[in-house]
Amino acid sequence: QSVLTQPPSASGTPGQRVTISCSGSSSNIGSNTVNWYQQLPGTAPKLLIYSNNQRPSGVPDRFSGSKSGTSASLAISGLQSEDEAEYYCAAWDDSLNGYVFGTGTKVTVL
Amino acid sequence: EVQLVESGGGLVQPGRSLRLSCAASGFTFDDHAMHWVRQAPGKGLEWVSHISWNSGSIGYADSVKGRFTISRDNAKNSLYLQMNSLRAEDTALYYCAKDMGLRYFIQGQVHYDYYGVDVWGQGTTVTVSS
Repeated sequence: QSVLTQPPSASGTPGQRVTISCSGSSSNIGSNTVNWYQQLPGTAPKLLIYSNNQRPSGVPDRFSGSKSGTSASLAISGLQSEDEAEYYCAAWDDSLNGYVFGTGTKVTVL
Repeated sequence: EVQLVESGGGLVQPGRSLRLSCAASGFTFDDHAMHWVRQAPGKGLEWVSHISWNSGSIGYADSVKGRFTISRDNAKNSLYLQMNSLRAEDTALYYCAKDMGLRYFIQGQVHYDYYGVDVWGQGTTVTVSS
């Protein structure tokens, strides 16, 4: 059972901006940093954003993250066809003493 | 290059056991905590367990607590997951994953802050069915 809540789907046309929300609580997002993962069909997840808003080397600057209180969001600007994937947020949860994932959001490029 | 290679998955009957292994390379294994994460067919990611760099801190998801045991051998750069009393709902692709935190020292005391997963293996499939 996921502790972090995301919308099940999001979509946009090429070039548009898409935003995905991630809602948690004081024991996870409220007190720890948020990471975001991209999972292309049939592949392992890939780290997209870490520590709320940092991009690993090689991740395009079209991807950006932010956090406020017990919520976080991922924005994809200049949407491209290769961005069609499942996106997950995640954070450490102090109460559960574990790492929790969001419910996942499928992004479709129309 | 950082690499995580899982093995040990397969088809097993309900109630039986299975042991997963993960061979790590390309980084200093005992500097990092490690995780197991699973993904049931067509479902989202579910964190299963974590183990600190020195095995001093371990945690499990409620869904596997009391049935699964995580362990590591730093001399062999290996991570393990012993899965007992397997159920149909344990059917999933199991990923070995590296935590991006690092152990550090302050006045001779070692500390570790978990930051979550940065590197994933390709996964090993576990199917529980009679």
